[in-house]
Amino acid sequence: EVQLVESGGGLVQPGGSLRLSCAASGFTFSSYWMSWVRQAPGKGLEWVANIKQDGSEKYYVDSVKGRFTISRDNAKNSLYLQMNSLRAEDTAVYYCARHRLRGARTSRDAFDIWGQGTMVTVSS
Amino acid sequence: EIVMTQSPATLSVSPGERATLSCRASQSVSSNLAWYQQKPGQAPRLLIYGASTRATGIPARFSGSGSGTEFTLTISSLQSEDFAVYYCQQYNNWQTFGQGTKVEIK
Repeated sequence: EVQLVESGGGLVQPGGSLRLSCAASGFTFSSYWMSWVRQAPGKGLEWVANIKQDGSEKYYVDSVKGRFTISRDNAKNSLYLQMNSLRAEDTAVYYCARHRLRGARTSRDAFDIWGQGTMVTVSS
Repeated sequence: EIVMTQSPATLSVSPGERATLSCRASQSVSSNLAWYQQKPGQAPRLLIYGASTRATGIPARFSGSGSGTEFTLTISSLQSEDFAVYYCQQYNNWQTFGQGTKVEIK
């Protein structure tokens, strides 16, 4: 079964850090672009960051540039999001998502597989 | 940034009726447009990509159309399991989502 499972969420104070993980199974993880997408409580979806199959390209939404770092370990079939200098507005459910096309050269693609999400709450 | 605007915000429909959801892009996204369904407490599910291609396992009652800046998702005959929030997403220039349309039971 193709599956993504996020972990690492929790309650953190403003200015703090958190590292999210996403474990992939059931497919060749190293062949796909991967993204993080977040959803604030009661709000819509916001793409956060993506990473190429080999980790050579990484892109971020402006609001997290310089604070968040996306990475992957293909040997462990895992995706990560290191979040530093967290703000209240980063409070959200964070989903990892697989880009649809295997072996794609660009990140321009829909997301066909999503994890169940992990909640991050930034509050004092 | 490309802004995606969905309308209406809420659509009240009776089971068995047709639902038509709209999505407008602030600039052309060609056919790089996807639709997702999200139910409470669940992750989004891909319905349509490439503006009109159904994803694997998606029933034929879901159809997408449009290109450039104007897009439509049509659900031909609403089933009970279709009441949910629907998001459009452009992936022509990074990825941005619309604010969602909630399809509720009339």
